[in-house]
Amino acid sequence: QSALTQPASVSGSPGQSVTISCSGTRSDVGGYNYVSWYQQHPGKAPKLMIYEVNNRPSGVSSRFSGSKSGNTASLTISGLQAEDEADYYCSSYTSSTVFVFGTGTKVTVL
Amino acid sequence: QLQLQESGPGLVKPSETLSLTCSVSSGSISSTNYYWVWIRQPPGKGLEWIGTIYYGGTTYYNPSLKSRLTISVDTSKNQFSLKLSSVTAADTALFFCARQLYGDLTRIDYWGQGTLVTVSS
Repeated sequence: QSALTQPASVSGSPGQSVTISCSGTRSDVGGYNYVSWYQQHPGKAPKLMIYEVNNRPSGVSSRFSGSKSGNTASLTISGLQAEDEADYYCSSYTSSTVFVFGTGTKVTVL
Repeated sequence: QLQLQESGPGLVKPSETLSLTCSVSSGSISSTNYYWVWIRQPPGKGLEWIGTIYYGGTTYYNPSLKSRLTISVDTSKNQFSLKLSSVTAADTALFFCARQLYGDLTRIDYWGQGTLVTVSS
């Protein structure tokens, strides 16, 4: 099971929106609604931002939203803020190995 | 608030076995609602799932590590552990222990702070 594919980096100016894609297959992203997204600041543990494709845990800003179309999931950050600069990872349930992370995306706030 | 704390040697020699323990506090590792997971992150690289265990002992391992990996749980101590044998420099990483929701393994809500393990002679 290879890692899910994410763009290495995305960037945007404060106030803009950015979208991060997470590409998989029918055996993972496309086959199940178990897709989560994590935010990781340097030297810190990851933080759950989205679960089950489009659900936000309590305390996570509504500026973060998730969606899925076919074998690709997406995380959108609206109203980009300086504090959103971090690495983001998707994850999915997979029928072959149970769990897999994405390759990770660095979000830069210009 | 649940807390997880990784512990173990920070330096391991090549070909030896890496052993880490995760101590869980302010919550029971025997809860039927959760799995417990090890995740690693090589310096400057992405997250890699290592393996998952349920309090009853059921395990799920990353196939790429399965031949070298043992994850176990000690409910009496509220701990779970990782053993990775025959390590090489490629196993140098920041190791995290964390909690996964039963029914949605992608939902990891509590993490330890991580512990850096370097494989070097």
